Amino acid sequence: GENVEQHPSTLSVQEGDSAVIKCTYSDSASNYFPWYKQELGKRPQLIIDIRSNVGEKKDQRIAVTLNKTAKHFSLHITETQPEDSAVYFCAACIISGTYKYIFGTGTRLKVLA
Amino acid sequence: EPEVTQTPSHQVTQMGQEVILRCVPISNHLYFYWYRQILGQKVEFLVSFYNNEISEKSEIFDDQFSVERPDGSNFTLKIRSTKLEDSAMYFCASSMVGVDGYTFGSGTRLTVV
Repeated sequence: GENVEQHPSTLSVQEGDSAVIKCTYSDSASNYFPWYKQELGKRPQLIIDIRSNVGEKKDQRIAVTLNKTAKHFSLHITETQPEDSAVYFCAACIISGTYKYIFGTGTRLKVLA
Repeated sequence: EPEVTQTPSHQVTQMGQEVILRCVPISNHLYFYWYRQILGQKVEFLVSFYNNEISEKSEIFDDQFSVERPDGSNFTLKIRSTKLEDSAMYFCASSMVGVDGYTFGSGTRLTVV
């Protein structure tokens, strides 16, 4: 069935360093890949997304890359700050039909001051 | 910024009781969803709803679950006879067309005792 693998499950970085989170999806029909940040007890918040017709997208300190052939996509956060500490989820979606999101298992990012 | 509103924020119920979780999607959105997140785990798709009918449901969404859009503004999730394992955070989401404007609500934490 549809599945999204996410690694690592936890990631600690020093403030100012970069963080990379990787996801692999199983359904080759997936063509939309959002990334969400979730703080404790709160709703997931969209931070960046990418569609399958694009290989890379950047928004200030955040970037996402997509390798359709390998069915991999990654989140890159540069110049990390303590407020970046949260759980990050990747997701995959097929833009047709029901638009359900299949989420990864999450990465707990800790940025150490 | 428009929001998806969920009530209540926290509900405690006895095992075997029926619960109704309520959501008010963004007013011009056409697609509606329910997701579940068991504590410390990933967000899981339950059901999608469009044009007054279910468009897709997951294996989790068994006969104990139902959804309804009773009045054109509310979108409800009913669990007929709650089990301990139904304890989770339930997120409602809505989108305008496809993934455009896909927004999650703040969630209802359901505790079954």
